[in-house]
Amino acid sequence: DVKVTQSSRYLVKRTGEKVFLECVQDMDHENMFWYRQDPGLGLRLIYFSYDVKMKEKGDIPEGYSVSREKKERFSLILESASTNQTSMYLCASSLTLHQPQHFGDGTRLSIL
Amino acid sequence: KQEVTQIPAALSVPEGENLVLNCSFTDSAIYNLQWFRQDPGKGLTSLLLIQSSQREQTSGRLNASLDKSSGRSTLYIAASQPGDSATYLCAVRQEGGATNKLIFGTGTLLAVQP
Repeated sequence: DVKVTQSSRYLVKRTGEKVFLECVQDMDHENMFWYRQDPGLGLRLIYFSYDVKMKEKGDIPEGYSVSREKKERFSLILESASTNQTSMYLCASSLTLHQPQHFGDGTRLSIL
Repeated sequence: KQEVTQIPAALSVPEGENLVLNCSFTDSAIYNLQWFRQDPGKGLTSLLLIQSSQREQTSGRLNASLDKSSGRSTLYIAASQPGDSATYLCAVRQEGGATNKLIFGTGTLLAVQP
């Protein structure tokens, strides 16, 4: 089974802090994704990566950046956290563009 | 712009009932459609993926159908159990894209009463 692991289940940070969310997958998947999930808005794609050191903006990249230095790890960075970035963050991976996406358990991030 | 809608937003049924969850999409040019389950406070679990050339997929008590031309998919759950209680999400992947970008519906919250 595919295992996608997000480093934290719950995280509380302060406004202005730099925040790192980590995601690791163990199945040598090419593609990795970061989403945020908000009530009434569903899941929205922030960034994705289709190879090491490659990244593409999703629908809502503002205020975020990403890093993929190794194939198995995809990091989401909040450069200067703001209260409107309080949300559930979900990481996913897929073997190829045509295969199902597999999700981690999510990180519930609160910015105070 | 593709929009994915799931109706109803919430559903409550007694244990043992067969039920159908609905998903509709506005642009029929999709590559595939995926159904997920999400338990409270957890990530998404992939249930079924239907390619655009397929009409249905089955896994155990779950059956998903796809009518691409009318922009509709249904998830049929047979003999529902309390353990089926969760939020069910559908997501479509557009044709022609260079990415695996999924567009999600907002989900149906299912409660199966014992």
